Amino acid sequence: KNEVEQSPQNLTAQEGEFITINCSYSVGISALHWLQQHPGGGIVSLFMLSSGKKKHGRLIATINIQEKHSSLHITASHPRDSAVYICAVRTNTGNQFYFGTGTSLTVIP
Amino acid sequence: EAGVTQFPSHSVIEKGQTVTLRCDPISGHDNLYWYRRVMGKEIKFLLHFVKESKQDESGMPNNRFLAERTGGTYSTLKVQPAELEDSGVYFCASSQFRTDTQYFGPGTRLTVL
Repeated sequence: KNEVEQSPQNLTAQEGEFITINCSYSVGISALHWLQQHPGGGIVSLFMLSSGKKKHGRLIATINIQEKHSSLHITASHPRDSAVYICAVRTNTGNQFYFGTGTSLTVIP
Repeated sequence: EAGVTQFPSHSVIEKGQTVTLRCDPISGHDNLYWYRRVMGKEIKFLLHFVKESKQDESGMPNNRFLAERTGGTYSTLKVQPAELEDSGVYFCASSQFRTDTQYFGPGTRLTVL
């Protein structure tokens, strides 16, 4: 079993829809990252969280440390949001990083 | 400011050959990380440099992999001899401080035939 689990694996949405991607982890962490990778593109860091909530434009990331769960929300989704979204955690023992397998999002015009 | 760069972008080699991947972090970033994604699997951590020192190399799969960061600037990851299962995308990332956001390079796609 992977230390980081994401759901759903694949997601198709209509333009304008509100999207939620979930991430659960089983290890103690010092930080959680949400990453984005467009088809054929590099990886871009969207958020780094250790508690609470962060917002950047139409993207919102939340984390619940007690429940070991984080969500990435996209409001008013747009076709350019189509990408793979990856959740990654840094453990609080040493400096290990664990990654989810990613959620492939397709937003249809 | 230039981002993290990696070279080459693609490499195709035969089993048993040697390949060296290079990563140039953002200038001034002491922390440099190597990751790998094999087909269909999640990204895996390989190792972490702080300046020229290996802080954590627990993710290195075996002794066919050798990473160096002489001088604390760019880093190389050598695979010798390469095996089929080494195929994948190798990412490098850097950060100024360990707790900072990491900036990823575009990756090197390695194919071992």
